Amino acid sequence: KAGVTQTPRYLIKTRGQQVTLSCSPISGHRSVSWYQQTPGQGLQFLFEYFSETQRNKGNFPGRFSGRQFSNSRSEMNVSTLELGDSALYLCASSGNYEQYFGPGTRLTVT
Amino acid sequence: AQSVTQLGSHVSVSEGALVLLRCNYSSSVPPYLFWYVQYPNQGLQLLLKYTSAATLVKGINGFEAEFKKSETSFHLTKPSAHMSDAAEYFCAVRKDSGGSNYKLTFGKGTLLTVNP
Repeated sequence: KAGVTQTPRYLIKTRGQQVTLSCSPISGHRSVSWYQQTPGQGLQFLFEYFSETQRNKGNFPGRFSGRQFSNSRSEMNVSTLELGDSALYLCASSGNYEQYFGPGTRLTVT
Repeated sequence: AQSVTQLGSHVSVSEGALVLLRCNYSSSVPPYLFWYVQYPNQGLQLLLKYTSAATLVKGINGFEAEFKKSETSFHLTKPSAHMSDAAEYFCAVRKDSGGSNYKLTFGKGTLLTVNP
């Protein structure tokens, strides 16, 4: 089976812009979760989608949003970017009580 | 709420030496516990998981971990370190609520350095 894919791998944006990141889960997996990884805060849960519905949400401002499509692919959007949003954003595809992570999207906000 | 504490943000061992990475958890209900490894500029790779079956769990690359409820611990070990084990290791906990909850809470991570 193909693994979790995330696009793009690297992204540079300016403060105030918005960004959309994409994640394609492992075939057959219906749950997709998103995490933010920074040196200061570590790995933090953003949200989880299952069958196109948000099932869990972390403690992030409303600028962070996501959605899931009928083919289980997911996108997350960050509006009005701040310098502190610079991070590695990881997507995880879940099945059989395990989460499989993609390589991440490295977002740099300048 | 679940939480995870990893003791030691940086562990350094010699090649061939025992690797011991410590993880303590806090959970109000029986947890699922995981160890992940992250190599530079990569995502997380699952090393092993505990899901309330055997308390001694064997994973990939020669790693294993033992679930000790009395100590609320899930330490990761490997008898003999290899240079390729140098990476950052994360312990994570998930509340056991069947298949309906995939939210993981991670520890801060332990960076493992292996010296030749």
